[in-house]
Amino acid sequence: GESVGLHLPTLSVQEGDNSIINCAYSNSASDYFIWYKQESGKGPQFIIDIRSNMDKRQGQRVTVLLNKTVKHLSLQIAATQPGDSAVYFCADIPGGKLIFGQGTELSVKP
Amino acid sequence: GAGVSQSPRYKVAKRGQDVALRCDPISGHVSLFWYQQALGQGPEFLTYFQNEAQLDKSGLPSDRFFAERPEGSVSTLKIQRTQQEDSAVYLCASSLYPADEQFFGPGTRLTVL
Repeated sequence: GESVGLHLPTLSVQEGDNSIINCAYSNSASDYFIWYKQESGKGPQFIIDIRSNMDKRQGQRVTVLLNKTVKHLSLQIAATQPGDSAVYFCADIPGGKLIFGQGTELSVKP
Repeated sequence: GAGVSQSPRYKVAKRGQDVALRCDPISGHVSLFWYQQALGQGPEFLTYFQNEAQLDKSGLPSDRFFAERPEGSVSTLKIQRTQQEDSAVYLCASSLYPADEQFFGPGTRLTVL
């Protein structure tokens, strides 16, 4: 069945450094992935998505990389800021319903 | 603009009580989803509506869970005879069309004592 998992439950970075959050997936047929940010007491918020016909997609300060060979994707956040502190989820979306991983909690030290 | 709203934001129930959780999706959104998020976990799919039709309820954990969206807008998730394992945050999301970006509400935190 589908599963999406993350490598690390927590990540602590210094303000201004770059952050990299990793995610592995198991379903070779997965063709669309989304990264979400969830702040305490709030629902998940869309950050960026990528389709399987792409290797890389860039947004504002964020980049998602997709390696279909090893079924791995990563979220890179440039110049991490205190406001980036949150839990980050990758999600697969088979048939329209989101399948989330467990999440990585990002802490930004001032 | 108005996003997805949920009420109540917090609910404490005694074991065995029935609860009803409300979701007001973004106006005009066809699709509505319910997810359950246990502490320290990612959200897990419960059920999906397209307008008033419940097209997928494969994630509902037991027959104690029931969801409805009678007029294709507001939805209610009902949990009968609540158990401690039902304690979680219940998230609602809506999207304009089925494959579009899902916008999440803030969730309802249910605690069953």
